[in-house]
Amino acid sequence: DAGVTQSPTHLIKTRGQQVTLRCSPKSGHDTVSWYQQALGQGPQFIFQYYEEEERQRGNFPDRFSGHQYPNYSSELNVNALLLGDSALYLCASSPDTSSGNTIYFGEGSWLTVV
Amino acid sequence: AQSVTQLGSHVSVSEGALVLLRCNYSSSVPPYLFWYVQYPNQGLQLLLKYTTGATLVKGINGFEAEFKKSETSFHLTKPSAHMSDAAEYFCAVSDLTYNTDKLIFGTGTRLQVFP
Repeated sequence: DAGVTQSPTHLIKTRGQQVTLRCSPKSGHDTVSWYQQALGQGPQFIFQYYEEEERQRGNFPDRFSGHQYPNYSSELNVNALLLGDSALYLCASSPDTSSGNTIYFGEGSWLTVV
Repeated sequence: AQSVTQLGSHVSVSEGALVLLRCNYSSSVPPYLFWYVQYPNQGLQLLLKYTTGATLVKGINGFEAEFKKSETSFHLTKPSAHMSDAAEYFCAVSDLTYNTDKLIFGTGTRLQVFP
């Protein structure tokens, strides 16, 4: 049973560009969340998707947007990239939106903005 | 609003010594608490979690944590450190505001294990 898979694993972008990161949740999971982990910091919640809708959003600007597909896979899009967007982006999935469920994380996508 | 404080950004122990990583939380409701481990250049792996029931929680790799409501703490311990335990450890609390699985993480503690 595959866990949470993310792509790409590493990428380098230039300031002002746009990036799309992809995530496939663990089998049986319908809720997908995205987190940003800056170097030396804990992960910060970006947003969560359930039934193809954004259910909750963290303190991130509108440059960060997402999408969830009918098969529960998800994308994170970041427009107008800034140097400060350089971070590890983690996708997490869980069975449903009930609290206390085990949340599984992917290996992450390392984004470097130059 | 919930929050997590991890005391000590770096902890160093000798192999075979006790590991103690400290975590204090703030929550207006009974919290769900988690410890995750992150090995270099990898994602997060769940070590253990507390939701309800027994306050002493046992996890993988010999780790355990005790939920102490009176102290608002959820410290992580392991009786005997192994070299393979060297990693970054994150304590997290579940934000129950919207009844979702949103996690609020601490800033992490880097554990070094010396031979």
